[in-house]
Amino acid sequence: QVQLQESGPRVVKTSQTLSLTCIVSGGSITTSGSYWSWLRQRPGTGLEWIGNTYYSGTTYYMPSLKSRVTITVDTAKNQFSLSMTSATAADTAVYYCARERQDIVTKFYAFDIWGRGTLVTVSS
Amino acid sequence: EIVLTQSPATLSLSPGERATLSCRASESVDTYLAWYQHKPGQAPRLLIYDASHRATGIPARFSASGSGTDFTLTISNLEPEDFAVYYCQQRGGWITFGQGTRLEI
Repeated sequence: QVQLQESGPRVVKTSQTLSLTCIVSGGSITTSGSYWSWLRQRPGTGLEWIGNTYYSGTTYYMPSLKSRVTITVDTAKNQFSLSMTSATAADTAVYYCARERQDIVTKFYAFDIWGRGTLVTVSS
Repeated sequence: EIVLTQSPATLSLSPGERATLSCRASESVDTYLAWYQHKPGQAPRLLIYDASHRATGIPARFSASGSGTDFTLTISNLEPEDFAVYYCQQRGGWITFGQGTRLEI
């Protein structure tokens, strides 16, 4: 059973880089059709997709965040990471890593596995 | 960006009743729509994919329908553990979520 666990600093200073890692256990990050995503939930708001990566290194980012976000994958360590530059208080949120499974035959395009989330606070 | 609007924002019901949640897209997403249940401190849980297909292990009291821009999630015979926040999410364009419907007792 695949499980995801987020790790990284819980507090980030304003203007610095927010960095998180998601460790994948119980399965391989190279599984076909698995797209590894970062999402967040800012206080009082709904869920927001940040971007994803495939094990090949292909990435997709939400256009509104693209200029500040990099997602990388490390197949040897079975993990993927988020880097968000120039953090501000508006980036304070619970950050989730999740697997989006994509299957064109069954039209399965959904986040079927999630980490528990980690609260990151951006403060001066 | 496709905007998903969920209604109502809050739904107050009792165990045993039926809940009907709505999700409307600003443009067609075909059936590329999923529903999630989210409880405080927990990871979101996938309920429905492809607008109407229950995910593995999801009880039959959860059903969903819709295509294009209008979608519905129905929870029949509410159980105490069903009270949570529900989100719809589309994959017709860049991934976006609705703002959520809080189902409360």
